[in-house]
Amino acid sequence: GENVEQHPSTLSVQEGDSAVIKCTYSDSASNYFPWYKQELGKGPQLIIDIRSNVGEKKDQRIAVTLNKTAKHFSLHITETQPEDSAVYFCAASSGGADGLTFGKGTHLIIQP
Amino acid sequence: DAGVTQSPTHLIKTRGQHVTLRCSPISGHKSVSWYQQVLGQGPQFIFQYYEKEERGRGNFPDRFSARQFPNYSSELNVNALLLGDSALYLCASSLRGVQGNSPLHFGNGTRLTVT
Repeated sequence: GENVEQHPSTLSVQEGDSAVIKCTYSDSASNYFPWYKQELGKGPQLIIDIRSNVGEKKDQRIAVTLNKTAKHFSLHITETQPEDSAVYFCAASSGGADGLTFGKGTHLIIQP
Repeated sequence: DAGVTQSPTHLIKTRGQHVTLRCSPISGHKSVSWYQQVLGQGPQFIFQYYEKEERGRGNFPDRFSARQFPNYSSELNVNALLLGDSALYLCASSLRGVQGNSPLHFGNGTRLTVT
């Protein structure tokens, strides 16, 4: 089955700086890669997703890049703000019956 | 529009007991998926239902079962509870099944504690 590795497990950045979270996946059949933000006491919230026919997608301060050859995708957050502090999860799916496979999460801390 | 709603929000059970968790999807969404999230880990896939049929199952024992009703709401049942079943149980809905990769929208979960 699919295996998703996510790094780093904790990331601390100064407010206003950029943050990058990286994930790798193992199943070459995976074709859908969402990113979720989870705040304390809440469920994961979808913030951006990318499909394998696209290399990059941007939504305001958030962007995701995908390298299918290397089986690698990344989340980029620019001009970080205190409200960006949360746990971020990457995930991958081949559209089959196995659902989404999630990484272990990155705790993003925005230092004022 | 209301998001995905789950009940109860918290639950404490004793080993060996049975539990039923409930989920109402976003209006218009026909697929419901269940995930287990152990503290400090990412969610792990348990089941997916689409149009009231099971369309996918993760690596969980037969003690876990689920069903989807005609109004697209869903229940997750866990029998013979073990301490290791303590986790946040998340329900997610989507327009279509995971096949086709329709985005999943999660509820805030049910926190199950087994003592």
